[in-house]
Amino acid sequence: GQNIDQPTEMTATEGAIVQINCTYQTSGFNGLFWYQQHAGEAPTFLSYNVLDGLEEKGRFSSFLSRSKGYSYLLLKELQMKDSASYLCAVRGTGGFKTIFGAGTRLFVKA
Amino acid sequence: DAGITQSPRHKVTETGTPVTLRCHQTENHRYMYWYRQDPGHGLRLIHYSYGVKDTDKGEVSDGYSVSRSKTEDFLLTLESATSSQTSVYFCAISETTGEGTDTQYFGPGTRLTVL
Repeated sequence: GQNIDQPTEMTATEGAIVQINCTYQTSGFNGLFWYQQHAGEAPTFLSYNVLDGLEEKGRFSSFLSRSKGYSYLLLKELQMKDSASYLCAVRGTGGFKTIFGAGTRLFVKA
Repeated sequence: DAGITQSPRHKVTETGTPVTLRCHQTENHRYMYWYRQDPGHGLRLIHYSYGVKDTDKGEVSDGYSVSRSKTEDFLLTLESATSSQTSVYFCAISETTGEGTDTQYFGPGTRLTVL
């Protein structure tokens, strides 16, 4: 079957670094996405990985290992506004289907 | 931000009534999607469209139908609403699919309550 696993909740301190993990089992692989979703709002695109390795974008980085079915999102210099849910999503091959994980709620405390 | 609007933003309805949600885009993107989001679940695809009058089912399509008569509008209809369809509904658009990034941009969502 197809499945995406990520932790339900995480808590971190302002100014620190946090890593949110995502493991997946899907029918084929054609890219992995990370989205940020603040409470009551729409998901917004953060990053995309299709090849193994690290993609860096300012304070946010995303890593992918296709052989391990594993990705992580790294958030540096945490700010209070980073408190949100982070959704891992994988697009399979042969169609339009993107599977979303249930999301990780991140709480940033002072 | 991608130009995507959804209407209504909030709706309360009764079991057995038909409900239509509208998604409107100003980006001229070819692909449009309807998802529902429930606590403990990820976003789940209901239906999608790959062009005017071209639609197909997603993983949770039972009880829902869609129509796309213009590039900019994608309608989701609950034929006879049930309490299990109480959810937040998101529309999304993307410019490419299959090959390429296929980043999806989401509308603000519609919160639907079925009593």
